[in-house]
Formats: sequence, structure tokens, C-alpha cells
Amino acid sequence: DTGVSQNPRHKITKRGQNVTFRCDPISEHNRLYWYRQTLGQGPEFLTYFQNEAQLEKSRLLSDRFSAERPKGSFSTLEIQRTEQGDSAMYLCASSLRLAGSYNEQFFGPGTRLTVL
Amino acid sequence: EDQVTQSPEALRLQEGESSSLNCSYTVSGLRGLFWYRQDPGKGPEFLFTLYSAGEEKEKERLKATLTKKESFLHITAPKPEDSATYLCAVQAIQTSGSRLTFGEGTQLTVNP
Repeated sequence: DTGVSQNPRHKITKRGQNVTFRCDPISEHNRLYWYRQTLGQGPEFLTYFQNEAQLEKSRLLSDRFSAERPKGSFSTLEIQRTEQGDSAMYLCASSLRLAGSYNEQFFGPGTRLTVL
Repeated sequence: EDQVTQSPEALRLQEGESSSLNCSYTVSGLRGLFWYRQDPGKGPEFLFTLYSAGEEKEKERLKATLTKKESFLHITAPKPEDSATYLCAVQAIQTSGSRLTFGEGTQLTVNP
């Protein structure tokens, strides 16, 4: 399977705990995005990377959230001191950015986070 | 600020009953408009990209069209397997990184 993969698919945690999610993009894609989706809403942009550089962060991304993409391959999203309001589906997407063109973003299956 | 509004919120059709979903958008400069399909508990699946007013794209029973203010997703003779949430998203020229701004989606149910 050459699509975007995410792990774990589901995570249940207690309030105050830290959690980390992983995203493996399509291998030749140089851009990687994180979105968050709550029930009945469309995905909301959190942050994106071009290769290993994190180039933009949404104001939705509080200082409890941190994302990395070492070596420009997989990415991790960590949430520290989780709150019940963090419960959502966390989606990863990747795309191939070429000079003068913008390609479609392909999404992974998501990680469903439940904070008790 | 970029905005996307989709209507209706939910649509129930009988198998074979054609209809259209609407996506109205406000963006300072449109780079692209995207349609995705999302099944429950899964990530969005890419369907179409439209770049300029007047453009149309088709895939099986789906046809997407674009004007300067809105896009339509036409569903011809739908089948129960077309049941899903359909998401519309815009990408603005001024937005660095080409992030997407999504609408809330239209939940489509096709009854046999």
C-alpha cells in the first residue's frame, strides 16, 4: 500500500497525559500537513512541513502541541497535558510540491483521540 | 479570511434520484477548489480539483462544476455505495503552503 499511513488508529488517554501520533506520507511527497477534525465539522489546518522544515502553524496549535518531521520523511504530532477538548480525529495529508504547480493533498486514515 | 459553506447539511435520496450539492466560497484569490469524499471513521478521499470558472470534471456518477462564487457536485443516478460525506475545500493563492480550508460537508444517504 503506497498511501498515507497513520498510527495508532485509535488512542484513548486520560486528561493530563501526553500522546504522540505518527504519520508516514506517500514516499515521494515533500509536503506534509496535519489537520484536526471534530464530529460534524470539516478538517481544520494545524501545521505543515516542506521536507523537514515546519513552515506554518495555525493559531489552533497551542503550545501544548508540537510537530516534527526529522529527515523530511515521517512526522510526529505530540500533545502534552491532554484536555478533553483535544478529543478529535487527527488527520495527516501529503502532497508533492513542484515549482510552479500545486498538487492535491492525499489524506491518511486518521488517528481518533479520546481524552477521558 | 477564507470561508466555505456547504449546503444542504444532509441529503437523503432514493437510488437513481439525481441531485446536486452546493459549495459556496469566499477567498481573496482562488488557486484551486477541491472535492473529497469521506466515509465514517476514515480520512477524506480525493475526488476532483477545479482551478478556474467554467471548468468541469467527471468521475463515474459524479460531475463537479465551478463558477466564481460556488461549485456544484452533481450526482447522477446515485447508488447506495455513494452514501458518504462530501467535503469541499479551497486553496488560496495568498496562503503559503497551500493549506486547505474546508466546509462542514454534506452528508449524503442513498436508499435502495
